[in-house]
Amino acid sequence: QVQLQESGPGLVKPSQTLSLTCTVSGDSIGSRGHYWSWIRQHPGKGLEWIGYIYYSGSTYYNPSLKSRVTISVDTSKNLFSLKLTFVTAADTAMYYCARETDGCFDPWGQGTLVTVSS
Amino acid sequence: EIVLTQSPATLSLSPGERATLSCRASQSVSSYLAWYQQKPGQAPRLLIYDASNRATGIPARFSGSGSGTDFTLTISSLEPEDFAVYYCQQRSSWPPSITFGQGTRLEIK
Repeated sequence: QVQLQESGPGLVKPSQTLSLTCTVSGDSIGSRGHYWSWIRQHPGKGLEWIGYIYYSGSTYYNPSLKSRVTISVDTSKNLFSLKLTFVTAADTAMYYCARETDGCFDPWGQGTLVTVSS
Repeated sequence: EIVLTQSPATLSLSPGERATLSCRASQSVSSYLAWYQQKPGQAPRLLIYDASNRATGIPARFSGSGSGTDFTLTISSLEPEDFAVYYCQQRSSWPPSITFGQGTRLEIK
């Protein structure tokens, strides 16, 4: 059974960098055919794709966030990470990691709430 | 960017009734459309992929149809646990891009 678990600070100050990690169990992050993804959900709102990474390191980002986002992978630890720079209150959201296969996301992590506030 | 528009925003029905949810794309997405269910406090769960294929473990009362720009998620007979928010999602092959609809809230009447 594949499981994903997000971790990282729940509170980030404005203008700083949000850093989250997603640890994968039950599957190898180096397995072919999957992209490893970050998706966020603003409070009470819909879902926004942030970007994803292949085990080789190839990345694709949402154009609206591309200038501030970096997704990286550590195959030795079976995890991938998100960095979002220069955060503002508009980046307050639930952040999910998920495995992408053929264009859809399954499974998802339980999510981690990140609040941007001084 | 491909925009997905879901309708209605809210659907009020009773258990046992049939639910029909719509998702319209601003341009053709072929059959690259998925549906998710999200309950309060939980992550979304994949229901349907490639427009009409049920994900593993999804009950047969859930079905998807459509191609191109118009898609439908049908729940044939609502169970109490089906009341939730439903999202559609598309992926573009090149450049790779993914967007979600704004969601339909299915509530108990």
